[in-house]
Amino acid sequence: KNQVEQSPQSLIILEGKNCTLQCNYTVSPFSNLRWYKQDTGRGPVSLTIMTFSENTKSNGRYTATLDADTKQSSLHITASQLSDSASYICVVSGYGGSQGNLIFGKGTKLSVKP
Amino acid sequence: DAGITQSPRHKVTETGTPVTLRCHQTENHRYMYWYRQDPGHGLRLIHYSYGVKDTDKGEVSDGYSVSRSKTEDFLLTLESATSSQTSVYFCAIRTGEGANYGYTFGSGTRLTVV
Repeated sequence: KNQVEQSPQSLIILEGKNCTLQCNYTVSPFSNLRWYKQDTGRGPVSLTIMTFSENTKSNGRYTATLDADTKQSSLHITASQLSDSASYICVVSGYGGSQGNLIFGKGTKLSVKP
Repeated sequence: DAGITQSPRHKVTETGTPVTLRCHQTENHRYMYWYRQDPGHGLRLIHYSYGVKDTDKGEVSDGYSVSRSKTEDFLLTLESATSSQTSVYFCAIRTGEGANYGYTFGSGTRLTVV
């Protein structure tokens, strides 16, 4: 069964600290992996997208890594800010299909405290 | 969210009543999607559309119908709302081409069925 598992479920860190969120998937065949940020009461917003051949992608203070062999991805947040408080969702795509074949993780809820 | 709006943003309705949620886009994208988001679950696909009058079922389509009579509008209807349909509903559009296509989500509709 195609699945996306994220850990931890929730995380509290102090402002200015770094953190790393994990995503493991069993989706096959694999097309790409995306990380989204979802603020409370808002829709998900794309942070990064990586295809099979990419193993690192950065977007400002956000850096995503992908190991397609072990089917693992991580999202590293550097020098966290209060505005980073949100849920972070890992989404894996399979190939083909108009429906997008998107498999969503349940998300990691990050709280950044002053 | 740029180019995509959902209405209403919040709605409370009674069990057994019909409810229609609207998703409007301004950019003529072909693919549109309806998802629901519930605690303990990743986003789950309800229905999607790949063109005017072209729609198909997703993972959790029971109790829902959709219509797309023009490119810019994608309607989700609950014919007879049940408490299990209390959820946050997100519309999404597929943007871009090739390997780097993306998904833009609306801000969501919070529906409560009492």
